[in-house]
Amino acid sequence: DGGITQSPKYLFRKEGQNVTLSCEQNLNHDAMYWYRQDPGQGLRLIYYSQIVNDFQKGDIAEGYSVSREKKESFPLTVTSAQKNPTAFYLCASSLLTGSYNSPLHFGNGTRLTVT
Amino acid sequence: KQEVTQIPAALSVPEGENLVLNCSFTDSAIYNLQWFRQDPGKGLTSLLLIQSSQREQTSGRLNASLDKSSGRSTLYIAASQPGDSATYLCGGSGAGSYQLTFGKGTKLSVIP
Repeated sequence: DGGITQSPKYLFRKEGQNVTLSCEQNLNHDAMYWYRQDPGQGLRLIYYSQIVNDFQKGDIAEGYSVSREKKESFPLTVTSAQKNPTAFYLCASSLLTGSYNSPLHFGNGTRLTVT
Repeated sequence: KQEVTQIPAALSVPEGENLVLNCSFTDSAIYNLQWFRQDPGKGLTSLLLIQSSQREQTSGRLNASLDKSSGRSTLYIAASQPGDSATYLCGGSGAGSYQLTFGKGTKLSVIP
């Protein structure tokens, strides 16, 4: 079955360490996205990519970095510069249809805890 | 900047009741609206997508509508069941954009 795989499900890190969250999709989708979800808040867009080797900042990109070397993969690195990294991170993907009517598909998320 | 409000923030209903969840956008020019369900500790599952040429979509007991003049959407759930208990989120995008802006969600509890 096609889908989006995020790993690991839970991740624990010490403050000051960089950490990379994995996101892989086999839906042949063009676009991939990273969102952050905090309790009581809506999803906030961190980065998105519409094509390999290209990506754009979302609303809260500071302290994060991404790469898109393959169409299927869009890893997110949470750097030590991110002031409040503890959160639930969600990866999503969609087709680029040209008519902007494409449903968003999500992975099951990675819960990152930094102490 | 687009902001999305979902009302109510939480809702508890007895099993079998029909219910309506609301979603409103500060910028009414919504081109693409999607309703999602999120179970605790999980990702979002897409329920319904209303495309730019549409006003509503139906899937089983769910019906979503979008009033483009006001930027308001409703999700109607008929004959609610305990398995419907989850958080429901709406997300919308404007013309020329694939990026969705999300509300904070409505947490629904259906009591057996």
